[in-house]
Amino acid sequence: EDKVVQSPLSLVVHEGDTVTLNCSYEVTNFRSLLWYKQEKKAPTFLFMLTSSGIEKKSGRLSSILDKKELFSILNITATQTGDSAIYLCAVEPGGSNYKLTFGKGTLLTVNP
Amino acid sequence: GAVVSQHPSWVICKSGTSVKIECRSLDFQATTMFWYRQFPKQSLMLMATSNEGSKATYEQGVEKDKFLINHASLTLSTLTVTSAHPEDSSFYICSASGTGGTNEKLFFGSGTQLSVL
Repeated sequence: EDKVVQSPLSLVVHEGDTVTLNCSYEVTNFRSLLWYKQEKKAPTFLFMLTSSGIEKKSGRLSSILDKKELFSILNITATQTGDSAIYLCAVEPGGSNYKLTFGKGTLLTVNP
Repeated sequence: GAVVSQHPSWVICKSGTSVKIECRSLDFQATTMFWYRQFPKQSLMLMATSNEGSKATYEQGVEKDKFLINHASLTLSTLTVTSAHPEDSSFYICSASGTGGTNEKLFFGSGTQLSVL
């Protein structure tokens, strides 16, 4: 059974801080790992990672995958209150047609 | 990017009634749609995979007679919660797989908050 474990489950920081969110996984025939941000409704896509060691970057957010250690991190630098959300990590097995297994998420709260 | 429309966005119903939730892919054809359930401060739990023109595949522990899924066309899948009870109150989200311009290949609806009284 595929498994995704995220840590920490919740995190409270002040604006301007840098945070690192963790995601470890076990999956049969790995295809990709995805990060989503969920505020109040639907998750919004952040990154899809397929290869080890290649950092993906979008503004203040970046993510990297380690396929040997079965691990990914999501970094957010210079956090803002608008970064407050649940961050979800998910894995996609090969041949699954995007049938994702989600972790429990990390609830990030950024205080002014 | 591709758009998935889900409605209603929220519904309140009496115990014992049935509720239908629709999920539409607006600008692409979705051969596969997924239905998730999410409790407060918890993650998305996959309920079933819906393929156009065939029976849905349900995850272990999900009652297929309770949660009826119909995927009659390439742009529409419906989830009907039959004889709803308070324990069915939850946030339900659909997603559809399609081809986006980036790496994003799974598109989510905006979710339906179901409250059963």
